[in-house]
Amino acid sequence: AQKVTQAQTEISVVEKEDVTLDCVYETRDTTYYLFWYKQPPSGELVFLIRRNSFDEQNEISGRYSWNFQKSTSSFNFTITASQVVDSAVYFCALSEAQGATNKLIFGTGTLLAVQP
Amino acid sequence: DAGVIQSPRHEVTEMGQEVTLRCKPISGHDYLFWYRQTMMRGLELLIYFNNNVPIDDSGMPEDRFSAKMPNASFSTLKIQPSEPRDSAVYFCASSLLGLFTEAFFGQGTRLTVV
Repeated sequence: AQKVTQAQTEISVVEKEDVTLDCVYETRDTTYYLFWYKQPPSGELVFLIRRNSFDEQNEISGRYSWNFQKSTSSFNFTITASQVVDSAVYFCALSEAQGATNKLIFGTGTLLAVQP
Repeated sequence: DAGVIQSPRHEVTEMGQEVTLRCKPISGHDYLFWYRQTMMRGLELLIYFNNNVPIDDSGMPEDRFSAKMPNASFSTLKIQPSEPRDSAVYFCASSLLGLFTEAFFGQGTRLTVV
């Protein structure tokens, strides 16, 4: 069965601290994609990154970095030197092919509060 | 491009009434998705279309829910009759290449059924 677990419901940090958001997934497929989305207080979801199952290279984009480890089925997200504008709910998601159709499963999200 | 446009942003209706949510995807995107977000169930994919054709509606909770995409620039999600447990934020999203690629979300419609 396909599943995404974000065990951290809420995280609160002070500005400039580093913070890591955890994501653990379950899948039987060998081909799948992992995503991170940000949902700021305004409500819309904003795409951050996509990673396919054959690419375990870590990625860095400015203050954001992602650590994909198939051995532990994890796709963790780190924000370096957090800022108040990073306050949002962050969702990890998994997409795999199931028969004739694809499925996309979101985790329950992690609410990040960055205090000034 | 203006992004994915949803209307209305907020809807309050009485139980038993019909509700229609509207979505205009990004021009050129072949895939359109309808999601529902609630505190209890999180984000759920309800249905998605490819080139205006419904591909997977297994996430639609009940027959009271229906979705259409009469053309590439417009989709509706209808609930008839509405119930209080349908209260949620409904998102529409579009993408170029389906569930394996980046999706662009609208700002959502907050539905309250009283």
